[in-house]
Amino acid sequence: ETGVTQSPTHLIKTRGQQVTLRCSSQSGHNTVSWYQQALGQGPQFIFQYYREEENGRGNFPPRFSGLQFPNYSSELNVNALELDDSALYLCASTPGGGLGNSPLHFGNGTRLTVT
Amino acid sequence: AQKITQTQPGMFVQEKEAVTLDCTYDTSDPSYGLFWYKQPSSGEMIFLIYQGSYDQQNATEGRYSLNFQKARKSANLVISASQLGDSAMYFCAMRGIRSNDYKLSFGAGTTVTVRA
Repeated sequence: ETGVTQSPTHLIKTRGQQVTLRCSSQSGHNTVSWYQQALGQGPQFIFQYYREEENGRGNFPPRFSGLQFPNYSSELNVNALELDDSALYLCASTPGGGLGNSPLHFGNGTRLTVT
Repeated sequence: AQKITQTQPGMFVQEKEAVTLDCTYDTSDPSYGLFWYKQPSSGEMIFLIYQGSYDQQNATEGRYSLNFQKARKSANLVISASQLGDSAMYFCAMRGIRSNDYKLSFGAGTTVTVRA
């Protein structure tokens, strides 16, 4: 069984640029969510995709956007990068819509540095 | 709104001993789930254990057990027989169990260092 995979593992961007992070969900999981984890803090929910539609969003501005594809893989796009966007971005997948007692299965994350 | 509080920024434990990680929470949801995750330096969040708010018994998974005290709104994680590989950051998280409640709310985490 293949787990959640994310690419790239590390990325350095300049303020104002755009970035796309990628995630392949665990086999059999139709729900993908994205979290931002600043250094020394717990992860913060960005949004969740279920069957190719966004069905939940945290307190992040519209320049954070995403997609989910028919194979349930997902992208996180961030426009107009700011220094505070520097963080570890975690992708997680789960079966069944991401509700109730379904644990999230996380990837290793993408470390984004904005200079 | 949900809030998770982990008051221990860091803890040291001797190999083979037990350690308890504190977690308190606040929520207005009548039904909710509590999760513990381990994050090694590699960055991956590893699911450890789950406790539902209406579960009658405390959850256990191998060396991990959850001391759930609903009235006190606490869900402490106990790691027994600590191993060097247990050195990591540990996060407590919760989610309401409703049809439109998706996000996990995490605490700030506790760093555990196991000494040989």
